[in-house]
Amino acid sequence: DAGITQSPRHKVTETGTPVTLRCHQTENHRYMYWYRQDPGHGLRLIHYSYGVKDTDKGEVSDGYSVSRSKTEDFLLTLESATSSQTSVYFCAISEFRSNQPQHFGDGTRLSIL
Amino acid sequence: GDSVTQMEGPVTLSEEAFLTINCTYTATGYPSLFWYVQYPGEGLQLLLKATKADDKGSNKGFEATYRKETTSFHLEKGSVQVSDSAVYFCALSDLGANAGGTSYGKLTFGQGTILTVHP
Repeated sequence: DAGITQSPRHKVTETGTPVTLRCHQTENHRYMYWYRQDPGHGLRLIHYSYGVKDTDKGEVSDGYSVSRSKTEDFLLTLESATSSQTSVYFCAISEFRSNQPQHFGDGTRLSIL
Repeated sequence: GDSVTQMEGPVTLSEEAFLTINCTYTATGYPSLFWYVQYPGEGLQLLLKATKADDKGSNKGFEATYRKETTSFHLEKGSVQVSDSAVYFCALSDLGANAGGTSYGKLTFGQGTILTVHP
């Protein structure tokens, strides 16, 4: 299995609070991704990174920011959490740009009350 | 843009039954196609893949063939087991580009199909 660790695995917080999720990889892969999974929507891309300090938006990026200061770590931040951001968040990594599968972490279940 | 459509579930089968989960796609380029499986409380695991037309991906008794003429990648298994109960996602990978022109591996998922297998 790809060495991907997401933390925390579960979190409950209140509306308006900041939240940071962490993804740590031991594979030295260049590309890292954050997705959210919601019933009926499959997985949707929030942000991705193509190198240290190189990040960009995905299809559902509003309300989220990311940072990547080291190859192995990719952080997802909700600056002011809202109930609509209650979801399961997955980090993924890939070595190459295209035509290769991404490998996923075990997810973080985030509940915003 | 790219899209993936899976048959809606849930799918409920008895052990040893034949499984088919339909998947069709729309893509402008020449994508790779994947099936992922998600067990309860876990992340997505790659089940099988196919990178070009007529390729057949297979793993753990599951098979899927990349059909360019019908833009399909249906998942099949001849005899399912209780342990196959999970959510199955069809996905395609193509090159995406952001507004600044940087390309990345864009993975587009279907909505997922819940499979339940009873003894």
